[in-house]
Amino acid sequence: DVKVTQSSRYLVKRTGEKVFLECVQDMDHENMFWYRQDPGLGLRLIYFSYDVKMKEKGDIPEGYSVSREKKERFSLILESASTNQTSMYLCASTLVGDRGDSPLHFGNGTRLTVT
Amino acid sequence: QKEVEQNSGPLSVPEGAIASLNCTYSDRVSQSFFWYRQYSGKSPELIMSIYSNGDKEDGRFTAQLNKASQYVSLLIRDSQPSDSATYLCAVGFQKLVFGTGTRLLVSP
Repeated sequence: DVKVTQSSRYLVKRTGEKVFLECVQDMDHENMFWYRQDPGLGLRLIYFSYDVKMKEKGDIPEGYSVSREKKERFSLILESASTNQTSMYLCASTLVGDRGDSPLHFGNGTRLTVT
Repeated sequence: QKEVEQNSGPLSVPEGAIASLNCTYSDRVSQSFFWYRQYSGKSPELIMSIYSNGDKEDGRFTAQLNKASQYVSLLIRDSQPSDSATYLCAVGFQKLVFGTGTRLLVSP
């Protein structure tokens, strides 16, 4: 089974802090994604990566950056946390299928609270 | 803006009934369609995937795709209280777009 591991289940940070959310997958997947999920807004894509050192902006990249130095690890960085970044953060990975149709495998999520 | 629309619910069905969940999407070139189940406080888990027009069955679950109508549905037969969750429709090609989900409540 694919395993996607997020380093923290719950995090509480103060406004202005730099926050790192880590994600590791163990199935040699090329693609990795960071989503946030908020009530009524669903899952929204923040950033994704198709390969090591490659990154692309998703739908809501403002206030975030990412790092992918190794294939198995994809980090989400909040440069200066703000209260509107309080959310559930979900990491996901997938293979590159012939039709790009491999499903996403999600980590357990990190519930971040910024006070 | 690519959109995926779902009725937020809740959809309430009695135990043993068929639950029908629906999803429409705006991007005609979409090739991949997925249904995820999400329990409260948990991450989404894949239930079904479908890529071609028609029906695809897996146990109590049937996914239906109609690309001409830009419509995908999920039928759950013999619904169980453990099926109570939010069901997310996801559409796209590698970079998926998710609907906001339909909450299903199955009463004993």
